[in-house]
Amino acid sequence: GAGVSQTPSNKVTEKGKYVELRCDPISGHTALYWYRQSLGQGPEFLIYFQGTGAADDSGLPNDRFFAVRPEGSVSTLKIQRTERGDSAVYLCASSLMGGSNTEAFFGQGTRLTVV
Amino acid sequence: KQEVTQIPAALSVPEGENLVLNCSFTDSAIYNLQWFRQDPGKGLTSLLLIQSSQREQTSGRLNASLDKSSGRSTLYIAASQPGDSATYLCAVRLFNDMRFGAGTRLTVKP
Repeated sequence: GAGVSQTPSNKVTEKGKYVELRCDPISGHTALYWYRQSLGQGPEFLIYFQGTGAADDSGLPNDRFFAVRPEGSVSTLKIQRTERGDSAVYLCASSLMGGSNTEAFFGQGTRLTVV
Repeated sequence: KQEVTQIPAALSVPEGENLVLNCSFTDSAIYNLQWFRQDPGKGLTSLLLIQSSQREQTSGRLNASLDKSSGRSTLYIAASQPGDSATYLCAVRLFNDMRFGAGTRLTVKP
């Protein structure tokens, strides 16, 4: 695709429910990142994929959060038993693998509100 | 763990002024550093990428510098305009791990 696409753009869910957030990276980009951004703060790293595998999931806050990328393209961030504190904008980025000239491109984000 | 700090947190200037935004990082073994712009309620737009071997990059009225040894980068904006009002974020990449500062919220007053 032309850019990184995230769906839905907005999601309102009730506390305790399960949600899935989707990211379609730029075609051919093998690196994919998920971030979470709260109001007035910078993006907080969650997880990074190289191809299909999670190369670094150290940013996932707890075991309610899980992400997959089964075919090395689209990724889904899954949140179980949502809590009000999970409310934030979830950002996805993709880039080519490789050296120091690899530029990361971001989607518009999914605004998650847990009520 | 890479720590990224941006100073100031907020900046308000009159139109036409030149200004400098600062970014510092703790681990100098970086692959590159990228400056982004974020408008309210929007995603991140890439402005400039500086590779670890480079000292600076320019795009239009923007100039970004990198000093790896001291762990610092600056974003220089010349002749600021109201349309430059946004939050500016720097992101430091260690191989494929990318970490952000909290951003500088810039307001350019007409």
